[in-house]
Amino acid sequence: GNSVTQMEGPVTLSEEAFLTINCTYTATGYPSLFWYVQYPGEGLQLLLKATKADDKGSNKGFEATYRKETTSFHLEKGSVQVSDSAVYFCALSVMDTGRRALTFGSGTRLQVQP
Amino acid sequence: DADVTQTPRNRITKTGKRIMLECSQTKGHDRMYWYRQDPGLGLRLIYYSFDVKDINKGEISDGYSVSRQAQAKFSLSLESAIPNQTALYFCATSQTGGEGYTFGSGTRLTVV
Repeated sequence: GNSVTQMEGPVTLSEEAFLTINCTYTATGYPSLFWYVQYPGEGLQLLLKATKADDKGSNKGFEATYRKETTSFHLEKGSVQVSDSAVYFCALSVMDTGRRALTFGSGTRLQVQP
Repeated sequence: DADVTQTPRNRITKTGKRIMLECSQTKGHDRMYWYRQDPGLGLRLIYYSFDVKDINKGEISDGYSVSRQAQAKFSLSLESAIPNQTALYFCATSQTGGEGYTFGSGTRLTVV
């Protein structure tokens, strides 16, 4: 089956620190990969995506590269801000008999301190 | 107005009661989804619908039912609520499966 594994949180960083949140996946077929962000009290928002191997998704200073050889899609940011504090979800979507629904990881909470 | 609207935002109900959570969208998307969020478990798919006449069970459909009343409306029902259905419920939409979803703000349901 399809599954996503994320590093457990919370991840606590000081402002301007470098961020990495690990994500690995198992999928039948060739998935598209996503990172979603959930700010307190809100729904999930798409942060970035990559649809094929070696693609790099980027948005708001965050980046993630689709690594087929290691089945990974790690999220990185060079300098985090307090406003980046949120829960981050890695997700995948696989064409399965013509149907797709997102499979999510368990989420990683990021806390950025001033 | 939000693209995906969920009502109610919060609800407390008693064990054994029937409850309906509603979702409407203005995105014009064909596909709609119901997810449940529990701490440490991420989001799990309950039901999804690829058009008005197409309803599919997700990984945790037991104890839930859905109705796709129109392209823009997709409701989730708990026929007889139980405490372990206490969770945050999200509705989402997409036009196709390969791109990102648009999520509602969620319904926090507590079953006592």
